[in-house]
Amino acid sequence: AAGVIQSPRHLIKEKRETATLKCYPIPRHDTVYWYQQGPGQDPQFLISFYEKMQSDKGSIPDRFSAQQFSDYHSELNMSSLELGDSALYFCASSFQREGLVEQFFGPGTRLTVL
Amino acid sequence: EDQVTQSPEALRLQEGESSSLNCSYTVSGLRGLFWYRQDPGKGPEFLFTLYSAGEEKEKERLKATLTKKESFLHITAPKPEDSATYLCAVQAAGGSYIPTFGRGTSLIVHP
Repeated sequence: AAGVIQSPRHLIKEKRETATLKCYPIPRHDTVYWYQQGPGQDPQFLISFYEKMQSDKGSIPDRFSAQQFSDYHSELNMSSLELGDSALYFCASSFQREGLVEQFFGPGTRLTVL
Repeated sequence: EDQVTQSPEALRLQEGESSSLNCSYTVSGLRGLFWYRQDPGKGPEFLFTLYSAGEEKEKERLKATLTKKESFLHITAPKPEDSATYLCAVQAAGGSYIPTFGRGTSLIVHP
């Protein structure tokens, strides 16, 4: 079965640089979510999109932005990177069946900011 | 505010030693409770969805149960390959669709 695809899998950036992470959801899933996970932490919700419209916003810094495109893939844009942005970034997708959110996660992008 | 507390934070078992992980939750109406398995450096892998008190789901050596206040993930005769972090998340019936995650239980099964 098709899974969520994320690219790149690893990314190394310098402070103050920008980064773009990409996510390709499971076909026919209508919602995409972005999460940040630090070492030993639970996933922290950043932002989500339902049918290409932003639907929920979590603890996403103003330096970050995201969008979902017509083909349903999503991109997380991160600017003015800080050391504290080093983390695993996961994308998840779901199909909202009667309001129930069963999220399927991608393999993640490991971002290291030097 | 929705809260999810998992215990213990870490658990070490010998191969074959059965045990249970706990997920206690406070939510204004439960739409669903989810269990995930996460291996180091990888994305959470969906295991189960539970909807209502009394419900049970099984997969290989794992069985998840649900009451009105908590869920248990029972691991029967675990093997070293069951070593992982197990995450619990709850979705409230109203308001935001975004599930609230617990901090997880790190399970290590020794051969």
